[in-house]
Amino acid sequence: QQQVKQSPQSLIVQKGGISIINCAYENTAFDYFPWYQQFPGKGPALLIAIRPDVSEKKEGRFTISFNKSAKQFSLHIMDSQPGDSATYFCAGRGVGGGGADGLTFGKGTHLIIQP
Amino acid sequence: DAGVIQSPRHEVTEMGQEVTLRCKPISGHNSLFWYRQTMMRGLELLIYFNNNVPIDDSGMPEDRFSAKMPNASFSTLKIQPSEPRDSAVYFCASRGTVNSPLHFGNGTRLTVT
Repeated sequence: QQQVKQSPQSLIVQKGGISIINCAYENTAFDYFPWYQQFPGKGPALLIAIRPDVSEKKEGRFTISFNKSAKQFSLHIMDSQPGDSATYFCAGRGVGGGGADGLTFGKGTHLIIQP
Repeated sequence: DAGVIQSPRHEVTEMGQEVTLRCKPISGHNSLFWYRQTMMRGLELLIYFNNNVPIDDSGMPEDRFSAKMPNASFSTLKIQPSEPRDSAVYFCASRGTVNSPLHFGNGTRLTVT
């Protein structure tokens, strides 16, 4: 059972454009929704995270939009730069998630920013 | 802070051989997680420990997989015997409190021929 569905699988955006990655979750017990960024040969690293009591969180060029009723959340990267090219994972955490205390990850989005 | 340290970075072995992956979590972190990453299945949680005690190993695919955490600064993931379908990148991650983020190591790329 895939508890976090992520789309698209891959995405190509022109430099300066907006990158949008979407996730949907099934487990209403999730209480924390992070996004991780992974560069080739590296482990994932926390990029930004949100809790379900707010609808939006912004950190620099990165924004999470959260829709609790639809059980969906998305990552927006404004003014996308070639250095943003990476794989992005959304995740949910909570009881019934990855090992009850861990994270359940989406399958990832491979983002390429073309110069 | 050196971060989560994994070794080896790359491991190539033949089917049937024993493989041991190692992890040193960030000092002071109470929880340690082992993940496996493949193109088909993404990041899968295999097992996690709290205070050196295995809490949930439901993600361990088969009895061929075992994990130990003999002390707060070291964990191993062992596959015996290894099979080609075990080929993947294995990540170790650690975390301080429940509300703090996961810190991943750079992974071990395992190839079983």
